[in-house]
Amino acid sequence: DVKVTQSSRYLVKRTGEKVFLECVQDMDHENMFWYRQDPGLGLRLIYFSYDVKMKEKGDIPEGYSVSREKKERFSLILESASTNQTSMYLCASRPNGQGPSYEQYFGPGTRLTVT
Amino acid sequence: AQSVSQHNHHVILSEAASLELGCNYSYGGTVNLFWYVQYPGQHLQLLLKYFSGDPLVKGIKGFEAEFIKSKFSFNLRKPSVQWSDTAEYFCAASGGSYIPTFGRGTSLIVHP
Repeated sequence: DVKVTQSSRYLVKRTGEKVFLECVQDMDHENMFWYRQDPGLGLRLIYFSYDVKMKEKGDIPEGYSVSREKKERFSLILESASTNQTSMYLCASRPNGQGPSYEQYFGPGTRLTVT
Repeated sequence: AQSVSQHNHHVILSEAASLELGCNYSYGGTVNLFWYVQYPGQHLQLLLKYFSGDPLVKGIKGFEAEFIKSKFSFNLRKPSVQWSDTAEYFCAASGGSYIPTFGRGTSLIVHP
């Protein structure tokens, strides 16, 4: 089974703090994604990466950055946390290519509260 | 811009009722379609997916979805829901970039 793990299930940070959210997958997937999930808004893509050291902006990258130094790990960084970044953050991974194997595997999520 | 619309934001049913959740997408060309489910306290998991071939797709737990190209729709159905189907359901679509766009989700509550 594919396993995607996230470093924390719950996190509370103060406004202005630098926040690191870590995601690790164990299936050698090339593609990794960070989403935020908010009630009524569904999943919105923040950043994705299709290879080590490669990254692409998603729909809502403002206020976030990412790092992918190793294939299995994809980090989301909030340079200076703000209260409007309080949300559930979901990491996902996916192998390259198309066809029946093309689906995303999600981690359990990190619920971040910024006070 | 590519988008996915889910018409029902909240659905409340009694056990054994039939379910249909609407999903429409706005992609030109080839499209890949997905339904994901998130049970309370659990992570998103795939219910079913469509790439090509038979437009009626069967997934896990008795769910199915029908791809109707002329209507740009991929509605999710289940003939008889159970209390354990209480969850949030997300429709997603991807085109040539293979980056999925998700709908806003439908919260389903099934009363026993």
